Amino acid sequence: NAGVTQTPKFRVLKTGQSMTLLCAQDMNHEYMYWYRQDPGMGLRLIHYSVGEGTTAKGEVPDGYNVSRLKKQNFLLGLESAAPSQTSVYFCASSRFGLSTEAFFGQGTRLTVV
Amino acid sequence: GIQVEQSPPDLILQEGANSTLRCNFSDSVNNLQWFHQNPWGQLINLFYIPSGTKQNGRLSATTVATERYSLLYISSSQTTDSGVYFCAVIGGGADGLTFGKGTHLIIQP
Repeated sequence: NAGVTQTPKFRVLKTGQSMTLLCAQDMNHEYMYWYRQDPGMGLRLIHYSVGEGTTAKGEVPDGYNVSRLKKQNFLLGLESAAPSQTSVYFCASSRFGLSTEAFFGQGTRLTVV
Repeated sequence: GIQVEQSPPDLILQEGANSTLRCNFSDSVNNLQWFHQNPWGQLINLFYIPSGTKQNGRLSATTVATERYSLLYISSSQTTDSGVYFCAVIGGGADGLTFGKGTHLIIQP
């Protein structure tokens, strides 16, 4: 039982390049989330999904897109990377939403140069 | 949105000491979790505790939802307890966890 797995763990991009971060969970959870963590800060919600085929904006959605084509996977895309998107990205999942415990992946460290 | 404030922001203790970390939040909550982010960046679930008291070994937590705060207690600290402790809540109409800025704990041998 792997829990929440993120791919890749590290990535360096040039400004303007695109990439996709993959999150996979094997707990049959309905809700999935993408967060970013900047130095000295807590995590901030980018986008989330309440079930297969659904997505919604969080606190800091600009510059990102997401898709949830399969229940177990949640993809985060950067169409044209900017240095301001240098951050550590965390994926999380929870069985349902408001009143259930969330579990996090190990994080992806992204640097945009 | 809901505000989450953690105190103290930094704490340096000797091995064996006890500590109390505090989390205040500005609205009623449906969910409250405590996490430990270790020096490798991993977020470790400590407690899911929207109300009441829980204990797990040397760690315990109490949430008083009516007074909008939660406390995390660490007893007999070990160097492996070092890292950042985050409180995160769902409340105020939000759909995901809102995190505090964390308490950076350093346990010296």
